[in-house]
Amino acid sequence: DSGVTQTPKHLITATGQRVTLRCSPRSGDLSVYWYQQSLDQGLQFLIQYYNGEERAKGNILERFSAQQFPDLHSELNLSSLELGDSALYFCASSPPGGGYTIYFGEGSWLTVV
Amino acid sequence: AQSVTQLGSHVSVSEGALVLLRCNYSSSVPPYLFWYVQYPNQGLQLLLKYTSAATLVKGINGFEAEFKKSETSFHLTKPSAHMSDAAEYFCAVSRNSGNTPLVFGKGTRLSVIA
Repeated sequence: DSGVTQTPKHLITATGQRVTLRCSPRSGDLSVYWYQQSLDQGLQFLIQYYNGEERAKGNILERFSAQQFPDLHSELNLSSLELGDSALYFCASSPPGGGYTIYFGEGSWLTVV
Repeated sequence: AQSVTQLGSHVSVSEGALVLLRCNYSSSVPPYLFWYVQYPNQGLQLLLKYTSAATLVKGINGFEAEFKKSETSFHLTKPSAHMSDAAEYFCAVSRNSGNTPLVFGKGTRLSVIA
């Protein structure tokens, strides 16, 4: 158990819908990262937040957005869903001060039908 | 920009044989390098990491990797494969500072044959 908690574990939704994935980082970790894992694209970095502020942006679509709240949990919002958005979405966290280790949650499986 | 290339999307070894999973990196700055393992239906677990200390890094489950700057490589090895090592392995690179995102390779699936 990495200490990173993601909900829901599985989600099935229809095209055009909107979903929210939630992540609770490890206690004390200020950074939260979101990754998408799909068969064709592999593991793609989406976005990073550090203590509530956006720190880095990767291959995140405009239909997707994220935020980190004052209690440091994070949410990834996916809207106008397409079949190609079906993937495993990982949240990860890392400690402040350069710990260099990023800890991953078990992921949220999203299936768009 | 940073990137990693994992040679071989699928590697198959016999139980008890040497495991060698290859990773080459590209980085304009001194890198930090990582190997993660993903078992079926699970998240990513850190095996080991190189953060500019010793070039030979030992990790969990008997795995180790050697950072070779001249070859821009960070190959993962294990002297004797076990059935429980069957999983997907990912090499990743980040900038040499804390709290920066990892860039992953496409992964190598390791199969262990009895």
